[in-house]
Amino acid sequence: LAKTTQPISMDSYEGQEVNITCSHNNIATNDYITWYQQFPSQGPRFIIQGYKTKVTNEVASLFIPADRKSSTLSLPRVSLSDTAVYYCLVASNSGYALNFGKGTSLLVTP
Amino acid sequence: DSGVTQTPKHLITATGQRVTLRCSPRSGDLSVYWYQQSLDQGLQFLIQYYNGEERAKGNILERFSAQQFPDLHSELNLSSLELGDSALYFCASSPSPYSSGGAGELFFGEGSRLTVL
Repeated sequence: LAKTTQPISMDSYEGQEVNITCSHNNIATNDYITWYQQFPSQGPRFIIQGYKTKVTNEVASLFIPADRKSSTLSLPRVSLSDTAVYYCLVASNSGYALNFGKGTSLLVTP
Repeated sequence: DSGVTQTPKHLITATGQRVTLRCSPRSGDLSVYWYQQSLDQGLQFLIQYYNGEERAKGNILERFSAQQFPDLHSELNLSSLELGDSALYFCASSPSPYSSGGAGELFFGEGSRLTVL
């Protein structure tokens, strides 16, 4: 499984756009990139998944450059309720284990 | 609501004891995953079952065991408990044997908080 590296923590003000970058230098051809969000004492929740270029849904956008060695989760106009831990995971269709690691702790303040 | 049900929500026990955590996956999901989350270790994968069979094993201790029953619910058994086993234990389910890729996402329960005194 590809190893991922993401910042331990980030701070933002309400209304700003937040970009969280994840490095995955040894990503394999069949690997997908998936992001989850976790609030305190709750289970992680799927945000977005992509393979290449750009994916957008009602919650976030995921930007993946051509070499796919990194990806950026973009949260537009964050609110206080976006304060959470965000996990980046890389695995293939045949991937088994998903070790979420420690993720990026995002704190949004007024 | 993810559709994944975990019981009990909270459990307090003593060192050396044994506990069983239960998980009911979303209707129709054949895969069940167990995760352990402690403050210093993050969210760690323990084990996966697919349609009753063990499919993948992560950092699961020998004191821990799990199984998935014919009705697809799963149980995680933790024995000879130590203080360091205190953690949130999450169950997740998915329809596919695969945890990523085109198979999409994992659906997590609310967790069982275990406190070992």
